[in-house]
Amino acid sequence: AQRVTQPEKLLSVFKGAPVELKCNYSYSGSPELFWYVQYSRQRLQLLLRHISRESIKGFTADLNKGETSFHLKKPFAQEEDSAMYYCALSGPGGYQKVTFGTGTKLQVIP
Amino acid sequence: KAGVTQTPRYLIKTRGQQVTLSCSPISGHRSVSWYQQTPGQGLQFLFEYFSETQRNKGNFPGRFSGRQFSNSRSEMNVSTLELGDSALYLCASSLGQGRHNEQFFGPGTRLTVL
Repeated sequence: AQRVTQPEKLLSVFKGAPVELKCNYSYSGSPELFWYVQYSRQRLQLLLRHISRESIKGFTADLNKGETSFHLKKPFAQEEDSAMYYCALSGPGGYQKVTFGTGTKLQVIP
Repeated sequence: KAGVTQTPRYLIKTRGQQVTLSCSPISGHRSVSWYQQTPGQGLQFLFEYFSETQRNKGNFPGRFSGRQFSNSRSEMNVSTLELGDSALYLCASSLGQGRHNEQFFGPGTRLTVL
């Protein structure tokens, strides 16, 4: 069974400090991984996906198959980064069956 | 393009009743997924439809059902409501059926079961 674990419910960091939101997954196959974000009073939206290998709003995430992790990182936190972050895994096969982690609330302290 | 829309936005029902929620995907999107979001369980996958066919189903009882119409609009039905069905129900659409596709979420329908 596929599973996504986000061990931290809340992560508080000071503005300008580095951020690392942890995500570990369990999946027997080649995973498709995503980070979704939900800002206050806004809809859940895609932040970045593993397949694109992109940096969005300064965030990056590297897939580590050995550690089965897909941690989200940003070198310098900004106040506007405060939001709820969800790690998600899609699979199996050619269709979407997305499993979300329970989410981590990032609080950036001014 | 207009985003994903869900109606109604809020619902209050009593135990034993049934409810139907509606989702209109982004124009051109053919895949629609439904999720249940609760404080305790987070986001849980209910089912996914593509071209009017249910492709995937989560671990929910048969009281939860859905369908998709030819215009890609989707409905979700919950029969014999239980208190534990109180949740935010999210609909998401995507352009294709592949698992790498980005999902676009609606605002959700807040269901309260009394």
